[in-house]
Amino acid sequence: EDQVTQSPEALRLQEGESSSLNCSYTVSGLRGLFWYRQDPGKGPEFLFTLYSAGEEKEKERLKATLTKKESFLHITAPKPEDSATYLCAVQADRSNDYKLSFGAGTTVTVRA
Amino acid sequence: DTEVTQTPKHLVMGMTNKKSLKCEQHMGHRAMYWYKQKAKKPPELMFVYSYEKLSINESVPSRFSPECPNSSLLNLHLHALQPEDSALYLCASSQGSAPGQGGELFFGEGSRLTVL
Repeated sequence: EDQVTQSPEALRLQEGESSSLNCSYTVSGLRGLFWYRQDPGKGPEFLFTLYSAGEEKEKERLKATLTKKESFLHITAPKPEDSATYLCAVQADRSNDYKLSFGAGTTVTVRA
Repeated sequence: DTEVTQTPKHLVMGMTNKKSLKCEQHMGHRAMYWYKQKAKKPPELMFVYSYEKLSINESVPSRFSPECPNSSLLNLHLHALQPEDSALYLCASSQGSAPGQGGELFFGEGSRLTVL
């Protein structure tokens, strides 16, 4: 069974204080690893897809990296508007399997 | 603004009611999904409709039934629900036959369902 573990569960940052979120995964052949941002009461917003170890993607203050066992989401000089729950999900390379296995998320709060 | 539109945004229903949640995507995607999300929990897959084929999470009770009138619409019919079915219901779409094949999931803003 695919497993995704995110840490920490919650992260409180001062504005400008850079930090990293971790997503550890176990999957029988990775098709893709996805990062989403979710605001309270809203649907997840797609951020990045990573396909293979060593791959990196960047968007504004966010950078996602991938190894064979985990992914990191780095937040550089965060602003209050970066406050959200960040979800990591994996999909296995199995035919006709559309399931995304999500982690429980990391809730980030950035104080001004 | 999301290109996956869900209606209604909020729904309150009794356990004997029949209601529907509607979802429309405007991106020409070939796969659509329903997810259920409880508070402070990750989304859980309920149904996938891709290339005119429906895939069902076997743990989903029969009081939920999907309907796909065409490739851009996916409805979720609700009947005889229980209070524990109260949750945020999320619709999503993807370009390919599955995420990871040029087809990341794009979610709507969700329908908040409360069952009394």
